[in-house]
Amino acid sequence: EPEVTQTPSHQVTQMGQEVILRCVPISNHLYFYWYRQILGQKVEFLVSFYNNEISEKSEIFDDQFSVERPDGSNFTLKIRSTKLEDSAMYFCASSEARAHGYTFGSGTRLTVV
Amino acid sequence: SQQGEEDPQALSIQEGENATMNCSYKTSINNLQWYRQNSGRGLVHLILIRSNEREKHSGRLRVTLDTSKKSSSLLITASRAADTASYFCATDANQGAQKLVFGQGTRLTINP
Repeated sequence: EPEVTQTPSHQVTQMGQEVILRCVPISNHLYFYWYRQILGQKVEFLVSFYNNEISEKSEIFDDQFSVERPDGSNFTLKIRSTKLEDSAMYFCASSEARAHGYTFGSGTRLTVV
Repeated sequence: SQQGEEDPQALSIQEGENATMNCSYKTSINNLQWYRQNSGRGLVHLILIRSNEREKHSGRLRVTLDTSKKSSSLLITASRAADTASYFCATDANQGAQKLVFGQGTRLTINP
């Protein structure tokens, strides 16, 4: 069964450093998403991406965050200057069409120290 | 309370019993989805029910949706130890891009 692949599975970074989280969505999917889950809390929407542009973003997704689909297969989330409160599990997801279920990756656990 | 609240927060039953989890939400929705998350892992899509549907089945799963009460339920029949996980409902209320709003989840434990 097709999978969404995320790398790395774990990342530890120092506060203020830039991090790039990588995702390979399912190849025939058109919609791409990033969500995050702080330990013990809800899964929170960050951003959706369609047709090579951001279609929706949350209040969490401020100027420190950016997304890119550089080569038609990868989908990346960049955090420019990490803060302690960015520590969370970050999930990439993709869906085939609007109002379809998502396929989530296994997540990247980001720890900012 | 917030969109997509599950009830109960934790449920522990014996293997073979049925498990029922409920979800309430506040706004109008396009669809509601249920996901499963094993500890420390990603979310697995279980079932999607559209706002004009009332019931859906998938294997041992049965989902109902009552838009008048803004609630949904997930029933797992003949539970197995492997069903132990957290279960989340997520609502898609957006008119534009799909944006799911997740609840806090129900932690289900199946005792062998």
